Order: sequence, then structure tokens, then C-alpha cells
Amino acid sequence: DAGITQSPRHKVTETGTPVTLRCHQTENHRYMYWYRQDPGHGLRLIHYSYGVKDTDKGEVSDGYSVSRSKTEDFLLTLESATSSQTSVYFCAIRPGLAGLSGANVLTFGAGSRLTVL
Amino acid sequence: AQKVTQAQTEISVVEKEDVTLDCVYETRDTTYYLFWYKQPPSGELVFLIRRNSFDEQNEISGRYSWNFQKSTSSFNFTITASQVVDSAVYFCAGQGNTNAGKSTFGDGTTLTVKP
Repeated sequence: DAGITQSPRHKVTETGTPVTLRCHQTENHRYMYWYRQDPGHGLRLIHYSYGVKDTDKGEVSDGYSVSRSKTEDFLLTLESATSSQTSVYFCAIRPGLAGLSGANVLTFGAGSRLTVL
Repeated sequence: AQKVTQAQTEISVVEKEDVTLDCVYETRDTTYYLFWYKQPPSGELVFLIRRNSFDEQNEISGRYSWNFQKSTSSFNFTITASQVVDSAVYFCAGQGNTNAGKSTFGDGTTLTVKP
């Protein structure tokens, strides 16, 4: 196992409610990412983190916020969920250690399927 | 900005046929990495291969082979003698060395291998 888990794996919620998805890793990797996957759009980056309390926006960050208070946890929050945020969300990690083979290869969690009614 | 184009949305072949998945990566970075990931029907994303932009050596792994041509920014993936288990969505991705290691993905190619 790669040591990355996402929770919850499935969630159904109503428009306007807050939602938090959690990504937990046991690999002590520096970089963590949140992607969303939608039909016809591949994987699009929402936010990423390059260290504890260091985060930045990706290409589709509107309506999302993130936090990383510990190396192992990266939280994605939808402050007020909308139907357009119905998607499958993937967390990914990578070591980022220069010179390490595979340092820039992403390892993905199993995904979280979110449905906003 | 980086852009990954996978021109083929869906491909359907019969088992034992060879199939090539195309990928073109556009970037201003002089050094970059290219990847292929596989997403089988079960939904997980699995890393297949990484290629550096300065290494144009083709690679073969069993029935899989990859052809990288820097002049055309293409990184094509060939499956020889396809099998039903190869049915999946395949994503090509690129990662520059100036964008904090963010990977940009193509829209994916859905490969269906029929028995």
C-alpha cells in the first residue's frame, strides 16, 4: 500500500452545505495535491501544498479552500457546496526529493465521490 | 502554461490487436517530465512510466512501449497484442521544472479491448 487514504470515500450532500474531504498519508512526502476528475476534463488541479502551512492554488480553485497543519494531512473544504462541484476528488502525494528516483511521480488515493444535490 | 493533448477520446480494438495512444505536451520549460497513468474500471490511478525530456530513448516493458520525440513533443504509448485487462482510461501528464512540480493531465483516452 502506498500509504495514502481519503475520507470519506462517498458523500451525498445538499447545495449550500459545507463539506470537508480529508487526505492522510503515512509516507512523509512533502508535496500533496487535490485534483478533481470530471468526464471529458481529465484531472484538474484544485490546490496543492509544498509543506506544512504552505499551499497554493491550482487551475480550478474557486469555491475551494485547503489546509495543511501537519505533514500527513491535507484537507479540502467546500465552504458552500454547489452542484457544479459534484465530482470525483483525488488526492495525490509525491516525495519531491531531488535526485530520488520517482521523486516527481504522483501516488494517488482511491478517490472521494461527492454528489451535491 | 502547460497543455497536454490526447487527441483520441475513445479507442476500441479487438483482443490481440496493437494499439497506440497519442499524447502531445506543450510547454515553455526546457526540462520536463512526461508520464502515463492508467485508470482501470475500478477507478484507482496507477503510474505506468516516467520519461525525462532529455532522454529520448524508447522504452519497452513487456507488451508496453513508449516513444518520446522531443522535436514534436509527443510521448506515444503502444500496447502490443492487447488484452481485455488493458481496458482502462489512460492519462498522459506533463510536469515542468518551473511550476512547483504540478502535473498537468490530458483528458484521457478510454481504451476498450473486446474479446
